[in-house]
Amino acid sequence: DIQLTQSPSSLSASVGDRVTITCRASQSMSRFLNWYQHKSGEAPKLLIYAASNLQSGVPSRFSGSGSGTDFTLTISSLQPEDFATYYCQQSYSTPLTFGGGTRVEIK
Amino acid sequence: EVQLLESGGGLVQPGGSLRLSCTVSGFTFTNFAMSWVRQAPGKGLEWVSAVAKSGTTTYYADSVKGRFTISRDNSKNTVYLQMNSLRAEDTAIYYCAKEGLFGGKSHFDYWGQGTLATVSS
Repeated sequence: DIQLTQSPSSLSASVGDRVTITCRASQSMSRFLNWYQHKSGEAPKLLIYAASNLQSGVPSRFSGSGSGTDFTLTISSLQPEDFATYYCQQSYSTPLTFGGGTRVEIK
Repeated sequence: EVQLLESGGGLVQPGGSLRLSCTVSGFTFTNFAMSWVRQAPGKGLEWVSAVAKSGTTTYYADSVKGRFTISRDNSKNTVYLQMNSLRAEDTAIYYCAKEGLFGGKSHFDYWGQGTLATVSS
């Protein structure tokens, strides 16, 4: 099974900050990596697919990069509605797996 | 508009069974694989099971293999998760998710609001 390790597990940031979340895979998986935003009581929301492709309707302040084992989600200028938990997820092989999540909180 | 609506959650005793349903609309159901993903209280997201668009191929997480069965009825635009021999650790919100595809790589592009299954005596 592919293990995904996200870091940090939580962070505090201010509106307008640049935020970077990393996801490291236990084996190389090309660009089979997706990112989701999840707010309590809501359905998870796809942000980035295939490592760097912005899902339709997602603001351009979100971006993704990486390949192989190391991936990054960047929020260029944090907005109030971005405070949530973020998950990476691999689709390279079953069982599909998620990272442990990164909780983004208000400083 | 794409919609996924889960139902069937509830309170069940350990060892009991529940059948979750997810009825979809707004897209051609037969063209896409479907998955169930869960979130236990205070925990992260965990993929549970997937079914191919034809319904003939299924996949499971080790944690539920042999106890859960995923299926789909393409005539009803519905995917099911039959959960047997339930344990306390199966307590979670269960989300139905639609597969999207790009360049041969999959992702979950639409999700339902979830249904809560609680396993407790």
